[in-house]
Amino acid sequence: GAVVSQHPSWVICKSGTSVKIECRSLDFQATTMFWYRQFPKQSLMLMATSNEGSKATYEQGVEKDKFLINHASLTLSTLTVTSAHPEDSSFYICSARDLKGQGQETQYFGPGTRLLVL
Amino acid sequence: GENVGLHLPTLSVQEGDNSIINCAYSNSASDYFIWYKQESGKGPQFIIDIRSNMDKRQGQRVTVLLNKTVKHLSLQIAATQPGDSAVYFCAEPIGDYKLSFGAGTTVTVRA
Repeated sequence: GAVVSQHPSWVICKSGTSVKIECRSLDFQATTMFWYRQFPKQSLMLMATSNEGSKATYEQGVEKDKFLINHASLTLSTLTVTSAHPEDSSFYICSARDLKGQGQETQYFGPGTRLLVL
Repeated sequence: GENVGLHLPTLSVQEGDNSIINCAYSNSASDYFIWYKQESGKGPQFIIDIRSNMDKRQGQRVTVLLNKTVKHLSLQIAATQPGDSAVYFCAEPIGDYKLSFGAGTTVTVRA
């Protein structure tokens, strides 16, 4: 089946630093990728839609200057948490929609990146 | 805005028994629903979906039931196994292939 990878799988950083998380579709092309954030024992909250070759679309309440998204190719989207603070500590999950897919089942999720900001 | 929510946050079930996970939604115009399974420390995994023109859909050991009258759907897992221990989410598209996830039900299987 289709595989989406994320790198790194976990990261610990100091407050004030920036962290970049990569999301890759390994065996399919994705014009659209999505970034979610999940706090412990909570549901996934959509942060933004990443569109290949254009600006990302952010959900209400998500700071675009804080969470920089770049979708430079059909297989790669990156999320950069700028000037990270302890409250940004969370589980970040991306999903990628198969370019050739029609239904929601063709949206595949990555394994997630756990971020801990000290 | 309207989104999908779950009735119960946790479910403990004896191995071999059937599990029933419930989900309520508020948008009567919703026409497509998905169930995901999320194991600890991993991303969600697609289980099964259903469209609003159906009342029931079966997969391998799973069945999804949709009651549009009361805006409720459920996921039934037959002969629950230890590997079924996870958090289960129902989700609903909210436009442009974006998904709104419910709160999630944690299923724990007792040996």
